[in-house]
Parts: sequence; C-alpha cells; structure tokens
Amino acid sequence: TQLLEQSPQFLSIQEGENLTVYCNSSSVFSSLQWYRQEPGEGPVLLVTVVTGGEVKKLKRLTFQFGDARKDSSLHITAAQPGDTGLYLCAVPASNAGGTSYGKLTFGQGTILTVHP
Amino acid sequence: NAGVTQTPKFQVLKTGQSMTLQCAQDMNHNSMYWYRQDPGMGLRLIYYSASEGTTDKGEVPNGYNVSRLNKREFSLRLESAAPSQTSVYFCASSLRTAQETQYFGPGTRLLVL
Repeated sequence: TQLLEQSPQFLSIQEGENLTVYCNSSSVFSSLQWYRQEPGEGPVLLVTVVTGGEVKKLKRLTFQFGDARKDSSLHITAAQPGDTGLYLCAVPASNAGGTSYGKLTFGQGTILTVHP
Repeated sequence: NAGVTQTPKFQVLKTGQSMTLQCAQDMNHNSMYWYRQDPGMGLRLIYYSASEGTTDKGEVPNGYNVSRLNKREFSLRLESAAPSQTSVYFCASSLRTAQETQYFGPGTRLLVL
C-alpha cells in the first residue's frame, strides 16, 4: 500500500501571496493527479502528470512531477480567494509487483485559505 | 448534463438503523466508486465497480455493502449504522480506469447518533 504525505496540512495566506504544496512518497508512480475540492462539493480534477520531471501549467497553477516519479508539487502564483479549498493528490493503487488494483489512493490533503 | 448525482444530501440515523445511499451517472462510464471523507484523512475508497455486474472491496469496506444495479447506478448500503460511520460519502465515476478523470458527486453528509 502506497503512503502519500501531503504538506503542509493547513495553509492560511493573504491574497497575492505565492505558495507551494507538496505530495511525497517513497514509492514510484506511473502517474499522479491533483484535485481541488471546494467547501460542500466533491473534488474536481485539476491535472494529471505522467512523465518524470514534467511541468504543467493551468493559469496561475504550476504542477511538477518529480524526476523519480515519487513526488509532486503544486505552486500557486498570486493566490486569490477563489483558490480556497482542499487540494488532494492521488496515485494509482498497486501492489508490490506493480499490478494496478484499478483504483486511486488519495493523500490527506492540504487545506488552503486565501484571505482577501 | 447532470454528471454524478447522489441522494440524499443529508441524513441523520440512530445507531443500528439501516439506509441506502443512491448514486447515478449519465456519462456512460464503466467504473464507479464510493469514498468516505473524514477530517484529516483525505478520501478513502470503500468499494468500487469496474463494470456492470462486478464489485470489489476498497480500503475500508467493513460495515458496507454495494450494488451495481446497472451501468448508471451504484448504491451503498449501511445495514446497521454505527457512530464510526459518521462521515461525508462521495460517489465517483470514470470512463474505464481509476487513472482516468474521476467525476465526483456532491456528497452525502451522514450523522449517526
């Protein structure tokens, strides 16, 4: 069973600041997804990264997959109150032999609050 | 296009009562999932169904049963609710595999007294 550690667990910042959240593991993954969940709603997929070292940008959000495909980061530039939410990373669940179980394992999430 | 719908939105149960959470998707997806979300623990998979007629246990299946009624509908049943099952329950679906985009419903907030 893979263990995903997200940090920080909580982040409270002012509008306009930059921030980075992390998703780390000791396991190698074939892909990694980032989801954002707004209060009272279900998670929504932001991006999927599949190649070691890959960088993807989504407006003010920059996602990076580690070279060894064991970790990922999400950087937000000039945060806005609309960025407030729970950010979750997720990876395909697999056994020690690498066989996929056809399901995802989620990290515990980073709760981001952006104050006006 | 409704996507993934869940009923009910809120429910309060007494310990020992039973209930069924309903989920339906209109995207012609093959795979469907049930998760529970508790503070500080992210999303944990309860059961999933890779195709109509098949179901498999996830990380936390104890105390739950599921039925994949048809391609659209995937229900979650609590036979004898316990306070430890107080949580927010999310249903999700994906076209084929879990690695593809999962589309989540709005959630059911369950309180077991």
